[in-house]
Amino acid sequence: QVQLVESGGGVVQPGRSLRLSCAASGFNMTIYGMHWVRQAPGKGLEWLSLISKDGNTKLYADSLEGRFTISRDNSKNTLYLQMTSLTGDDTAVYYCAKDQNPDYYGPFDYWGQGTLVTVSS
Amino acid sequence: DIPVTQSPSSLSASVGDRVTITCRASQNILNFLNWYQQKPGEAPKLLIYRTSSLQSGVPSRFSGSASGTDFTLTISSLHPEDFTSYYCQQTYATPYTFGQGTKLEIK
Repeated sequence: QVQLVESGGGVVQPGRSLRLSCAASGFNMTIYGMHWVRQAPGKGLEWLSLISKDGNTKLYADSLEGRFTISRDNSKNTLYLQMTSLTGDDTAVYYCAKDQNPDYYGPFDYWGQGTLVTVSS
Repeated sequence: DIPVTQSPSSLSASVGDRVTITCRASQNILNFLNWYQQKPGEAPKLLIYRTSSLQSGVPSRFSGSASGTDFTLTISSLHPEDFTSYYCQQTYATPYTFGQGTKLEIK
């Protein structure tokens, strides 16, 4: 069965960096686009970034202001999100999600359980 | 950006009721509108994709439709497990914006 498992979250000080990972299993990750979505405590969902199946296309939400970088290692079936210059506004549960189709136009048919990032001094 | 305005933000209903949730896109997004259900402490779950296609395994009491840039999620007869939160999402163009969410509560 399809499984996505995020890791790397935790408490981080403002201004620091953090890298999230998403380990995929149960499907051929090499043929699907992948996404990151976050949800601040008690708030709605915010799409952050996508990466094409081959890693050549990467798109981001403007709100990230170039601070986050998405990447993937298909040989390891793993998706990454490198986050820098973190602020309190980045405190959220971060989800990775699989695109349903062999592109990246959605929908997102499988999601990980999420990893909590708390930015606090 | 393409904002999607979801309404209502909260809704009280009873088991067996028929309810509708609406999302209005700010421009034409063709049929690139999806619906998700999210239970507390869990990841979102895909219910409806491309306006009206039912995701595998989702009960047939859930349906989606559209009229122009107005999209509707309908639950034909509420079950107890349906009382949770729902989000729409457009994937016509990045950023793939979500609606603000609707919390469905038991009356």
